Amino acid sequence: RKEVEQDPGPFNVPEGATVAFNCTYSNSASQSFFWYRQDCRKEPKLLMSVYSSGNEDGRFTAQLNRASQYISLLIRDSKLSDSATYLCVVNRGRTYKYIFGTGTRLKVLA
Amino acid sequence: GAVVSQHPSRVICKSGTSVKIECRSLDFQATTMFWYRQFPKKSLMLMATSNEGSKATYEQGVEKDKFLINHASLTLSTLTVTSAHPEDSSFYICSAPRSGRDNEQFFGPGTRLTVL
Repeated sequence: RKEVEQDPGPFNVPEGATVAFNCTYSNSASQSFFWYRQDCRKEPKLLMSVYSSGNEDGRFTAQLNRASQYISLLIRDSKLSDSATYLCVVNRGRTYKYIFGTGTRLKVLA
Repeated sequence: GAVVSQHPSRVICKSGTSVKIECRSLDFQATTMFWYRQFPKKSLMLMATSNEGSKATYEQGVEKDKFLINHASLTLSTLTVTSAHPEDSSFYICSAPRSGRDNEQFFGPGTRLTVL
């Protein structure tokens, strides 16, 4: 079993739709959680950190459920520019090591 | 904000050549940097942890004699792919963490290596 698992998609959604991505992690000692966005042939860029209390940034909402070892990302009112691969990232304890999920591809259609 | 640079951005070389990739943190010091490899449509795979002033720590299955890492200063780590072969063709990305609440890491723009 992979340490961080995501549905690879692709998710094809119309503009304006709401879409949700899920991610599970297996290491209960994981301490920090992130969603990164990666455009084709580019480096990952931080979208948002994920906290137990949940956090929201504009159209994006992230949630963490430590008991179920589950992270989610909700995108509301999808834009064409949201098309990308969304990477779930887990930090192993205090080592700064990032473990990446395989990523979920999103394609927003006009 | 913090920035990490990588050089070169693209390399095309013949089989058997050694290729050096540089990773620099531009406005902060990084005692630790990370090297990743990404194959097409695959996730980033951590190759090794580069430690300033000491040996790199390699992930399981990564050949340390093949992928030489040198962390010469607090702002520079280099990855040398020795005697590159076509199967080494990949997207190599470095990252550097900035100390703080979330252990956030900043990624370089990546180096696309093509070995003919």
